Amino acid sequence: QAQLVASGGGLVKPGGSLRLSCAASGFTFSDHYMSWIRQAPGKGLEWISYLTHVGSTMHYADSVKGRFTISRDNAKNLLYLEMNRLRAEDTAVYYCATGGGVDAFEMWGLGTMVTVSS
Amino acid sequence: QSALTQPRSVSGSPGQSVTFSCTGTNSDVGDYDYVSWYQQHPGKAPKLIIYDVTKRPSGVPNRFSGSKSGSTASLTISGLQTEDEADYYCCSYRGTTYTSVFGGGTKLTVL
Repeated sequence: QAQLVASGGGLVKPGGSLRLSCAASGFTFSDHYMSWIRQAPGKGLEWISYLTHVGSTMHYADSVKGRFTISRDNAKNLLYLEMNRLRAEDTAVYYCATGGGVDAFEMWGLGTMVTVSS
Repeated sequence: QSALTQPRSVSGSPGQSVTFSCTGTNSDVGDYDYVSWYQQHPGKAPKLIIYDVTKRPSGVPNRFSGSKSGSTASLTISGLQTEDEADYYCCSYRGTTYTSVFGGGTKLTVL
């Protein structure tokens, strides 16, 4: 059964860092573009980054550019999001999903909560 | 990156049809047929229900259909069911920046 499981969320102080992981199973991970999408409490969805199959090309939303870095390890079926200089407005549930660019977000993980607060 | 524009709420009765609109620009919806729609129930992850403007993933009922005219995409649910009550989000590829942009979401209430 294909699934994505995000982890690594938690409480972090403003200016701090956090690394999220997303474990893929049940499908050929390396065939898919991968994205991170977040949802602030009570708010809508915000796409923040995607990465191509082999990780050679990535794109970011303006809101996280220069602070967040997306990467992947196809040998381990893992997607990562390194988050630096975190702000209160980064507080959200972070979802990993297959897709990005022209590809729709077909499969979604359960999400991991990140809270940025002093 | 400004979001696509969706109405905040839509309502309908069981058996009726409802249509959601999603308005973008010539940089996204108007110029690319890469519009997708997602259904999200409270506390759950979103679910893809329409991609490439009109296509349905396997398992999604044909009550759900998508279309586009100019810079506005639409999602129609026919034969409304109580379990359709959820939030619905549109999303488009924005080719000028190689990014994706979501709408603010529409809450569907089934009366």
